[in-house]
Amino acid sequence: DGGITQSPKYLFRKEGQNVTLSCEQNLNHDAMYWYRQDPGQGLRLIYYSQIVNDFQKGDIAEGYSVSREKKESFPLTVTSAQKNPTAFYLCASTATGIGNTIYFGEGSWLTVV
Amino acid sequence: AQSVTQPDIHITVSEGASLELRCNYSYGATPYLFWYVQSPGQGLQLLLKYFSGDTLVQGIKGFEAEFKRSQSSFNLRKPSVHWSDAAEYFCAGAFKAAGNKLTFGGGTRVLVKP
Repeated sequence: DGGITQSPKYLFRKEGQNVTLSCEQNLNHDAMYWYRQDPGQGLRLIYYSQIVNDFQKGDIAEGYSVSREKKESFPLTVTSAQKNPTAFYLCASTATGIGNTIYFGEGSWLTVV
Repeated sequence: AQSVTQPDIHITVSEGASLELRCNYSYGATPYLFWYVQSPGQGLQLLLKYFSGDTLVQGIKGFEAEFKRSQSSFNLRKPSVHWSDAAEYFCAGAFKAAGNKLTFGGGTRVLVKP
């Protein structure tokens, strides 16, 4: 079935460590996104990519990095520079064009211990 | 700047009663508007979307939404709520000036009483 796969579902990180969250889609979508969701809050855009080998910062990019080497993959690295990384992270993708439906993965929980 | 606002953080409704969730947007033109639902610890599922045309949009799970340009609103409704509708609901807008990036409202958590 087509969809977006995020892994791992749960991840614990020690302070000072970098961690990478995986996002893979087989929907043949050009655009991919990473959102952060804090408990009881809405979604905030971290990074997005509209084409391979290109990506742009969203509203809260500090402390995060991404790459887009393949169309189907858009991994997010949470670096040690991110001061408050504990959150729920959602990956999404859509076909190119304004107003197309954005599809979401099941999310990854990151907890700093 | 473009924005989407959901004025209600929590709503409690009895099973079988009607539900209406409010959504307002701020933009100089008509945006593309969406409603998503999120169950705890899960991703977001699209309920319905509005681009143009008929201002009353039908979605999945018995939901509908009405676009009102004069009020800059896109409220979500369901005539009779089921216990399984307990979830968080997000309104979102895609604004031409911002490409295809979605701007989300803060969400409304719906609790269903037996």
